[in-house]
Amino acid sequence: DAKTTQPPSMDCAEGRAANLPCNHSTISGNEYVYWYRQIHSQGPQYIIHGLKNNETNEMASLIITEDRKSSTLILPHATLRDTAVYYCIVRVRSGGSNYKLTFGKGTLLTVNP
Amino acid sequence: GAVVSQHPSWVICKSGTSVKIECRSLDFQATTMFWYRQFPKQSLMLMATSNEGSKATYEQGVEKDKFLINHASLTLSTLTVTSAHPEDSSFYICSARDGGGNTEAFFGQGTRLTVV
Repeated sequence: DAKTTQPPSMDCAEGRAANLPCNHSTISGNEYVYWYRQIHSQGPQYIIHGLKNNETNEMASLIITEDRKSSTLILPHATLRDTAVYYCIVRVRSGGSNYKLTFGKGTLLTVNP
Repeated sequence: GAVVSQHPSWVICKSGTSVKIECRSLDFQATTMFWYRQFPKQSLMLMATSNEGSKATYEQGVEKDKFLINHASLTLSTLTVTSAHPEDSSFYICSARDGGGNTEAFFGQGTRLTVV
């Protein structure tokens, strides 16, 4: 199973872009990179996912390196409400067509006023 | 995104009793549901995967007789913590996916269980 490595914490100023890195050097060719975040005492919230192309949605952008060994989640204009633990996850096949998400320790992003 | 609802949001129970937590997909049919447990300041730990109409698949180290999972319909899965003890106190979170290998999973808001 591909593992991910993220910095334990990061700070960002409100209104600035937050760039959260993730290393997944052992990722396989058919494994997706998913990003979720968890605000304190809530369930995780889906942000974005991708395979090899860069992706963008209303919440964030996902930049995946050409060799797919790392990725960066970009929150273009961070707000105080973006303070959360951000999880980078490589989707693991769990038999048949089932996939399960295994969470690492994530990055605690603190957005400061 | 799709909505997954858990009930109750929090529960306090006495040692030795059983507690049932419900997880519902409100606007889609969830062929697969997942149950996680999270201790304070730790990450989510996957407990089991359940497919509608089938027995749940438990992760290594999770007691299937203690954590009973039922996924009888495409919109409801339940987790029953049997004979609860204080060490079972935790944040329990479910997630659901509507089938197919390329869809994301959506999470419930979690259930805070306190066993006294």
